[in-house]
Amino acid sequence: AQSVSQHNHHVILSEAASLELGCNYSYGGTVNLFWYVQYPGQHLQLLLKYFSGDPLVKGIKGFEAEFIKSKFSFNLRKPSVQWSDTAEYFCAVNGGATNKLIFGTGTLLAVQP
Amino acid sequence: GAVVSQHPSWVICKSGTSVKIECRSLDFQATTMFWYRQFPKQSLMLMATSNEGSKATYEQGVEKDKFLINHASLTLSTLTVTSAHPEDSSFYICSARDPASFSEQFFGPGTRLTVL
Repeated sequence: AQSVSQHNHHVILSEAASLELGCNYSYGGTVNLFWYVQYPGQHLQLLLKYFSGDPLVKGIKGFEAEFIKSKFSFNLRKPSVQWSDTAEYFCAVNGGATNKLIFGTGTLLAVQP
Repeated sequence: GAVVSQHPSWVICKSGTSVKIECRSLDFQATTMFWYRQFPKQSLMLMATSNEGSKATYEQGVEKDKFLINHASLTLSTLTVTSAHPEDSSFYICSARDPASFSEQFFGPGTRLTVL
């Protein structure tokens, strides 16, 4: 069965600090990988996705993620966070013929001005 | 981008009553919609996959007789929580897959259900 783990449950950073949120998945076949963000009081929005090709994926708002197949990882990064990045971040995966998304437990990011 | 709406955004009901939640894709036709449940400070758990014109596929452990799903048109899926109890209180989120946007799901804003 597919599963997704996010190691950091709660991260607190100061503005301009660099961010890296870990995401590991377990699935033996081809996967599609996603990062979603949920701002306070808002619905889930797609930050970026990886289907194939260049393992370094650039998303919206300066975020990027790198797919490392050998490590089953898809970590999210941003070189310099802003207060407006305060939100909850979810890694998700679907694999095989299914369209089902399996979500990680989420990481709550708080950026202090 | 594609827009998905949910109605109502918040509902309070008495124990034993039924509640219907609507999920609509506003600017695309969704042959597949998904229903999730999110507990406080936890992740989204997939409840079921809703396919237009056919029966929903439920995840293991989800009672299909309690959580009735109907996907009668390409833009509307409904989730009915029957005989609701306080333990059904949760945040219910739907998503819809846009066939034009391979494998990407667009999420609704969620419905907070409180059962007294």
